[in-house]
Amino acid sequence: GNSVTQMEGPVTLSEEAFLTINCTYTATGYPSLFWYVQYPGEGLQLLLKATKADDKGSNKGFEATYRKETTSFHLEKGSVQVSDSAVYFCALSDGTDGYNKLIFGAGTRLAVHP
Amino acid sequence: DVKVTQSSRYLVKRTGEKVFLECVQDMDHENMFWYRQDPGLGLRLIYFSYDVKMKEKGDIPEGYSVSREKKERFSLILESASTNQTSMYLCASSGLEQYFGPGTRLTVT
Repeated sequence: GNSVTQMEGPVTLSEEAFLTINCTYTATGYPSLFWYVQYPGEGLQLLLKATKADDKGSNKGFEATYRKETTSFHLEKGSVQVSDSAVYFCALSDGTDGYNKLIFGAGTRLAVHP
Repeated sequence: DVKVTQSSRYLVKRTGEKVFLECVQDMDHENMFWYRQDPGLGLRLIYFSYDVKMKEKGDIPEGYSVSREKKERFSLILESASTNQTSMYLCASSGLEQYFGPGTRLTVT
């Protein structure tokens, strides 16, 4: 069945460091891929998405490229801020059921220190 | 702006109680979802609904039921709460994307 695997956290960085959070997936067909972010005490917010191979999603300085050959969708940011401290979830939707169901990874906690 | 609201942010219930978690969305979305979030497990789908009075089991439906009497409202019911249902519960509604509520942290003692 479909699944998403993320790197385990927590990831601890200093402000202005480069961030990579790895995400790989297993899916039949051609899923859409998403990164969601959860700030402390809040629900999930969509950060970015990509719907086909080689698409790059970007938002708020974060980027991720849909790599079909490596079944990956790694999240990157060139210079993190303290305000980026949150839990990041990679997710996929295979879209075949018509309901937009999402399958999530376990989440990666990011802590950014001044 | 899409808004998904959940009736409580924090809830404490006793083992064996019947618990209702309410979710309301204001975007006229057909699809609504209930997840539970546990550390190291991510979000797991409990139930979803694709229309009024229509529902489908997700990956972990045992111990839960749902109700959707109106399009904007989707309720999660714990018929007899148990300590292993202590968790964060997240509701979402979906058009082209899923939009999440703030979550209800439920503690069953």
